[in-house]
Amino acid sequence: EDKVVQSPLSLVVHEGDTVTLNCSYEVTNFRSLLWYKQEKKAPTFLFMLTSSGIEKKSGRLSSILDKKELSSILNITATQTGDSAIYLCASKGGARGSQGNLIFGKGTKLSVKP
Amino acid sequence: KAGVTQTPRYLIKTRGQQVTLSCSPISGHRSVSWYQQTPGQGLQFLFEYFSETQRNKGNFPGRFSGRQFSNSRSEMNVSTLELGDSALYLCASSLRFSGQETQYFGPGTRLLVL
Repeated sequence: EDKVVQSPLSLVVHEGDTVTLNCSYEVTNFRSLLWYKQEKKAPTFLFMLTSSGIEKKSGRLSSILDKKELSSILNITATQTGDSAIYLCASKGGARGSQGNLIFGKGTKLSVKP
Repeated sequence: KAGVTQTPRYLIKTRGQQVTLSCSPISGHRSVSWYQQTPGQGLQFLFEYFSETQRNKGNFPGRFSGRQFSNSRSEMNVSTLELGDSALYLCASSLRFSGQETQYFGPGTRLLVL
């Protein structure tokens, strides 16, 4: 059965710290891995990683895909209180000829203390 | 450009009733996906529609159904509601298929089944 596992489930840090969130996946015919940030509302898209784009960066956030280890990390440097949220990882796979499903992990709850 | 809109935003129903939720995707987007989010299970994929056809379905019972109209608007229906159906139902749209490009989420419909 396809699955996505995130760790840790929750994390408390202080402003200025650097954090690394982990995501491992087991999906049939892997196509992409996505990261989302969810505050008190709907998830907002952060990054999409594929075989042709295994590293993405935007400001203080960056993400790397390790296809050999079937995993991805999301790094946040110089954390701010506004980074407090649930970070969701999702992976898309599926049988050949189908579009596949997006399977989500249960998220990592990040709390950044002032 | 307007974002994904969902109606209603909140809903209270009783066991055994049925409910219909609506989602209007971003203009020009042809793919609409539905998800159920609960504290225990996280985000779970329900189904995806593209060009009025269901392209994928998650592991939910037949009580959960949906459809997409020619203008890409989508509805989701849950019949014979159970207490466990209480959840945040999220809709997301993308130009083409989810997982291949950015997917934008709506604010969700929070359903409470009493």
